[in-house]
Amino acid sequence: GESVGLHLPTLSVQEGDNSIINCAYSNSASDYFIWYKQESGKGPQFIIDIRSNMDKRQGQRVTVLLNKTVKHLSLQIAATQPGDSAVYFCAENRDKAAGNKLTFGGGTRVLVKP
Amino acid sequence: GAGVSQSPSNKVTEKGKDVELRCDPISGHTALYWYRQSLGQGLEFLIYFQGNSAPDKSGLPSDRFSAERTGGSVSTLTIQRTQQEDSAVYLCASSPHKGPDYGYTFGSGTRLTVV
Repeated sequence: GESVGLHLPTLSVQEGDNSIINCAYSNSASDYFIWYKQESGKGPQFIIDIRSNMDKRQGQRVTVLLNKTVKHLSLQIAATQPGDSAVYFCAENRDKAAGNKLTFGGGTRVLVKP
Repeated sequence: GAGVSQSPSNKVTEKGKDVELRCDPISGHTALYWYRQSLGQGLEFLIYFQGNSAPDKSGLPSDRFSAERTGGSVSTLTIQRTQQEDSAVYLCASSPHKGPDYGYTFGSGTRLTVV
C-alpha cells in the first residue's frame, strides 16, 4: 500500500505567536487538499480544506495557502494556544480515477510553550 | 452513534494469531475507509468501501489482510497470522460523500501490538 511515513518534524512555538506548518505534495493533478489535527490517543480531526482553483482559504484562526506552481501547501494558525499542541497532517486527493481516498503526508508535531 | 466507533481500543496479540478489528461508522455514511498509522508516521491507506460497489483493496499490504463491510454499515478488518510489523494504530473513517469532500470522520483507532 501507499506509505508516506517520514520522521516526524517538530515545530515549537510560543503561546500567542503564529504557527506555520508546511507540506509539499508531489502530484500536480491533485485538486483537493485537507489539513487534519491529531491529538494524542485520538483520530485525526478535520481542520480546513481547499480546492485547487483557490490559493487561500480562511477559517477560524486558521488559514490554508496553496501554491500550485511549487506544489506547496501551508497551514497558518494565528495566536497559537496550548490546545493547538498536536500532530498536523496534510492530505491530498491524488487520483479520482483510482477512487476517493486521501493520501496523507508524514505529519508535523506542534508543541506550544506557555 | 454520534461518531465513528472502533473496538477494541487496544489489542495485544501473540505473533501468528489472527485478530479482528471492528468499525461502526456514522449512521447513513456510505463511504468507509481503513488506514494504518505506524508509530510517529503518517496514515497509510488500506481499503475503501463505497456503498454497494466493489471495495478498493489496493492498499492492503499482503494477503494476510482482509476486510468486510456487512449490510453497508459495520466493517471488520481481519489480520491473519499477525507479524510484529503489523503493530500500529488502525484507524477507521466514514463519510457521507462519494468523494473526499469535507474529509472523513475518523474513529479513535485500535492500537494493535503484536508480541
